[in-house]
Parts: sequence; C-alpha cells; structure tokens
Amino acid sequence: GQQLNQSPQSMFIQEGEDVSMNCTSSSIFNTWLWYKQDPGEGPVLLIALYKAGELTSNGRLTAQFGITRKDSFLNISASIPSDVGIYFCAGYSGGSNYKLTFGKGTLLTVNP
Amino acid sequence: DSGVTQTPKHLITATGQRVTLRCSPRSGDLSVYWYQQSLDQGLQFLIQYYNGEERAKGNILERFSAQQFPDLHSELNLSSLELGDSALYFCASSVGLGATGELFFGEGSRLTVL
Repeated sequence: GQQLNQSPQSMFIQEGEDVSMNCTSSSIFNTWLWYKQDPGEGPVLLIALYKAGELTSNGRLTAQFGITRKDSFLNISASIPSDVGIYFCAGYSGGSNYKLTFGKGTLLTVNP
Repeated sequence: DSGVTQTPKHLITATGQRVTLRCSPRSGDLSVYWYQQSLDQGLQFLIQYYNGEERAKGNILERFSAQQFPDLHSELNLSSLELGDSALYFCASSVGLGATGELFFGEGSRLTVL
C-alpha cells in the first residue's frame, strides 16, 4: 500500500528558531495535508494543498506541494512553546478510495 | 473543539472481551471515519461510512466492525480483544465523501487491554 516517509521523527529546538519537516512518497498524491496533534487531543488540520507547486501559509506556518506530487514540506517560523506537538503529513490520492494516508509524525519539542 | 464527540475517553478491559466505541460527527457531516493510532504504526485508517453506507475499508481486522446509524452517529465494535489492540481510536468526520482530505477528528478513545 501507499506509504509516507516523514522526517525527522523528532526535533528539539529553542524558542524562536525556525523548523522544517518533510514528507515523501513513492506514489503520487492529489492532495497533501498537514495536521498537528496536541497531547491528549485529536489531529487538527493546519494546511491543505491541492495543486502541485502550491505554496500556502497559515500564520507562521508555510507548506508546499512538491512539483513531482510525491513530496511536501512544512516550515514553522519563529517557533513558540505552544508549537509543541506531533505534526503529521497526510496524502490523498483521489478516486473512489477516500482514505488518507498518514506519515508517522514529527514530534516537536520547543525549549523556552 | 472540532465538534466530533467520542465516548468513552478511556476504557480498560481484559483480553477476549468486546467493547463498543461511539462517535457523533460534526453537525451536517455525512462521512465518519475510524482510525487507530498506536506508537509503532502511527495513524491507520480502519473504515469510512457515508450517510449510513460503508464507503472505504482500510486495515480493519475481521474482529472489528463498524456501522453508521440513521442519525449519523457511528459505533466501532472491537471483539475478542488482544493485547495488541491497545491503542487510541479516533473518529473523524467530513462534510462530503472526503475528497478534499479535510477531516475533523475527535479527541479519541484510549483502549487498554490487559
């Protein structure tokens, strides 16, 4: 089945630093999404990307849909303590199978 | 608050038992999805229902079953439980069939099998 390789698995950074994480796939996706999961909560959608090459921002977050449609990255600028959590990429390939394929997540720790 | 409600939040049971997890989707959402989250496997798609009918199936074991009722709430039934079934089970919903990939997740039900 489809698999997403998300890296890094974890990051420890200082408050104020920028963060970058990415996701790659052996398959093409029509949609890339980035979710964040806070401890004890369900994942929450941060950014959705629907077109190859698309660059979308949501506050301090910026994500891009790779030109090959097989990768995406998420950048967080000027990190703050509340950015702590697990960030998941997810891909949707379209068609009649509506399931999302999730990466295994990047655990972000921000030291104040 | 995503608007998706899951109960119970925590459940502890023994091997061989059967449990039912319940989910109420966001108002107006017709699709319900079930995901299993474990430490080593991440978020795994189990099954999707749309307006009462099964639409897509993922890595759902035969010991597990689900349904969506006329009022659109859904239940996930887990039977003959094994230690390895211990995980967080998330329900998510979407307005339509989920073609945009935008899902709204509940807070999850944490199942511990002893």
